[in-house]
Amino acid sequence: NAGVTQTPKFRILKIGQSMTLQCAQDMNHNYMYWYRQDPGMGLKLIYYSVGAGITDKGEVPNGYNVSRSTTEDFPLRLELAAPSQTSVYFCASQSTMGYNEQFFGPGTRLTVL
Amino acid sequence: RKEVEQDPGPFNVPEGATVAFNCTYSNSASQSFFWYRQDCRKEPKLLMSVYSSGNEDGRFTAQLNRASQYISLLIRDSKLSDSATYLCVVLKEAGTALIFGKGTTLSVSS
Repeated sequence: NAGVTQTPKFRILKIGQSMTLQCAQDMNHNYMYWYRQDPGMGLKLIYYSVGAGITDKGEVPNGYNVSRSTTEDFPLRLELAAPSQTSVYFCASQSTMGYNEQFFGPGTRLTVL
Repeated sequence: RKEVEQDPGPFNVPEGATVAFNCTYSNSASQSFFWYRQDCRKEPKLLMSVYSSGNEDGRFTAQLNRASQYISLLIRDSKLSDSATYLCVVLKEAGTALIFGKGTTLSVSS
């Protein structure tokens, strides 16, 4: 099992550009999440999904969009990038059954200049 | 009051020391509790769950006090490799998202 994978690992965007952060998991988990982590700060939930076709906003959804067409994939779209979106983005997945451990991907470091 | 609060530290301790981290949560109906570890520039990983009766995993002991809405993590005989940020995590109810504290940074020196 590869677990949770994220691409790209690093990216520099110019203000106003758009991009999609990719996330995939091979553990057949229904729950998937997108977080951002600013330097010295905790994880903030952007969006989450409880299954294919179902998404919901987290704490800081503005400036982002998500889709969940399959169980495996949960891409995060940034439209009109702003410097305030400079952060590390983590994707995570979680099984709905029993133990509620979240498994995280390695993160995408995004800089908007 | 923030949902999950931790002392940010940093805690600077010598090898072999015992160190304790504290965490408080605001929602008395919270169901599950965890400690995650995050190494510098890495993703968080589950360290251990926290059970009402308290639980131990080697040098690590986690305790929960529901009446005080307080969670603790005790690390005995600290190792250099314990240097990391420790995140207190709370689940309010099944099917909802985990809530992460900002983390407490530990630095163990030789």
